[in-house]
Formats: sequence, C-alpha cells, structure tokens
Amino acid sequence: AQKITQTQPGMFVQEKEAVTLDCTYDTSDQSYGLFWYKQPSSGEMIFLIYQGSYDEQNATEGRYSLNFQKARKSANLVISASQLGDSAMYFCAMKGSSNTGKLIFGQGTTLQVKP
Amino acid sequence: DAGITQSPRHKVTETGTPVTLRCHQTENHRYMYWYRQDPGHGLRLIHYSYGVKDTDKGEVSDGYSVSRSKTEDFLLTLESATSSQTSVYFCAISEEGRGYNEQFFGPGTRLTVL
Repeated sequence: AQKITQTQPGMFVQEKEAVTLDCTYDTSDQSYGLFWYKQPSSGEMIFLIYQGSYDEQNATEGRYSLNFQKARKSANLVISASQLGDSAMYFCAMKGSSNTGKLIFGQGTTLQVKP
Repeated sequence: DAGITQSPRHKVTETGTPVTLRCHQTENHRYMYWYRQDPGHGLRLIHYSYGVKDTDKGEVSDGYSVSRSKTEDFLLTLESATSSQTSVYFCAISEEGRGYNEQFFGPGTRLTVL
C-alpha cells in the first residue's frame, strides 16, 4: 500500500529565512510522482511543485525546491526566503504508476512565518 | 485558473437526509475526483471517474455514490447523511491519469451534518 507521512504538524520560520518541510513516502511502484500543494487559510489547494521518480534532478519552481532522496524515500519541500504569505498548510502527495491518477496525501504541515 | 466550480459552497443538513454535491468543469478533462478533508487526515479519495459513466471507488467510499453523465459534471451523493460525513469536500480534475498530470482542485464545499 502507498503511504505518505508528514511528521511535522506545525512549523515556525522567521521571515526571509529558509524552511524545510518533511515528507516521507512508501510505495512498491517503480514509477511514481510526488506533489506538494499549499492550502492558505482561504481553503483553496494550490499546486506548488512536482518530482517524478525518474527525474535525475531535484525539481525547482521559483522559491520552492524539492529535496528528493529516492533511497531514503523522502521528498522534502524547501522554501527559500520565506514570506508572510507563505503561512499556510502544506500537503505532500503521491501518485503511483496506475493510470487512475489518484493522489495519496499526507496529513499536512502548518507553516507560520513570523515577521 | 482551471475552470472548476463546486456547488453548493456551504451546506448544513440533518442526519438522515440525502445530499448531492456538484462539481462542474469547463476544461474537458477526462479524470475527475472527489476528496474529503478532515483534520489529521489530509485529503482522502472518495470516488473518481475516468470518463462518462466510468467511475470507481477510492479509500473512503462507504456512504457515498457518484454519477457522471456528462464530461463536465461529477456528482457526489450522500444517500443518508451522518455526522461523520461533516467535512470539506474537494473536487479535482486531471487531463490524464498517467505520468505528470497536475490535479486542479475546486474551491471546496463545507458540509455540516447535524
């Protein structure tokens, strides 16, 4: 069975500093994808970044990067130069090799950025 | 922004009543999904559809049914609502199931069952 684990229920970071949100996963699939979504207090789900299991380089999107360590089955999100608007819930999710596109989500991490 | 709407956005109902939530998309995407979000659980898949009249169960499908008679609409029905179905419900769409295909989420429906 596939599983995503986010062990940090809540995190604090000072504005302008970098922060890492942890995500570990478990799957027997050889081909899979990992996603990070942001959910601000307004409730919408915002896609941030994607990493494929065969991608050789870590994914980056602006201030977001994904620290992908395949052997350790971890896909941590790194946010550089935190901004107040980064305060939100962050979800790690995984899609396996089936063609259904189903996502398995972690429990989420609440990030608060302090001014 | 992907064209996904959900209706209603908020609903309060009583235990035992049927409830139908609607998801409407204008992207002509093949795949549609219903998730529920509860504290401590993240989002969990209820049902999904991979085409008109083609649906399948997710991990928390008990007490829910779905229908998709048109590409653009995916309905979620609670046959007899219970308090444990109080949750925020999200619809999502995806162009394809395989490979990298981002799921776009609707704004969510907050359902309270009294």
